[in-house]
Amino acid sequence: GAVVSQHPSWVICKSGTSVKIECRSLDFQATTMFWYRQFPKQSLMLMATSNEGSKATYEQGVEKDKFLINHASLTLSTLTVTSAHPEDSSFYICSASWGNQPQHFGDGTRLSIL
Amino acid sequence: LAKTTQPISMDSYEGQEVNITCSHNNIATNDYITWYQQFPSQGPRFIIQGYKTKVTNEVASLFIPADRKSSTLSLPRVSLSDTAVYYCLVGDMDSNYQLIWGAGTKLIIKP
Repeated sequence: GAVVSQHPSWVICKSGTSVKIECRSLDFQATTMFWYRQFPKQSLMLMATSNEGSKATYEQGVEKDKFLINHASLTLSTLTVTSAHPEDSSFYICSASWGNQPQHFGDGTRLSIL
Repeated sequence: LAKTTQPISMDSYEGQEVNITCSHNNIATNDYITWYQQFPSQGPRFIIQGYKTKVTNEVASLFIPADRKSSTLSLPRVSLSDTAVYYCLVGDMDSNYQLIWGAGTKLIIKP
């Protein structure tokens, strides 16, 4: 149980385009979803936390107009990287939880901006 | 903020018991301790979670002393496939507030 699906698993696109990443909780209703960014050989950096039906709470230093998060339902959250540039290239990971349960993670999205 | 400190890396051999300790000196009353395993290019996988004393599941045990300023993840009889990065996460699970990830411990299991 507690399966989280993240799509796509990897994406390559040109600089200036926008990229949308989906995160779905397949067998539970996620009251809270998290978006992380991870650079090689580093720990996870929390970008934002979103609760279903409300605006996401962004961590300090994360541009909310750059990284648009939508959590429209209890099973789906999306992260859109707008006008992506090479410095946005990274490994993006989502997680989901409900109540006081631990976070369950998707398998991540490798984003490469050319 | 409950900052966590873990060893950067550890080595062990197949069949051994491995203990990884995480220090969290200023853990708050409402904070839980959660451990995750991560393989390259994958999302972290939940291992175990606890609040105090000892917790055991089918893959690991978690030991938390009375003062809760540290915790130890114990992996019994490790195999090569246990080579991964292990993260200690401390935070308030009820509010999801200030979840602080440790830097991770790279565990290498040798044959």
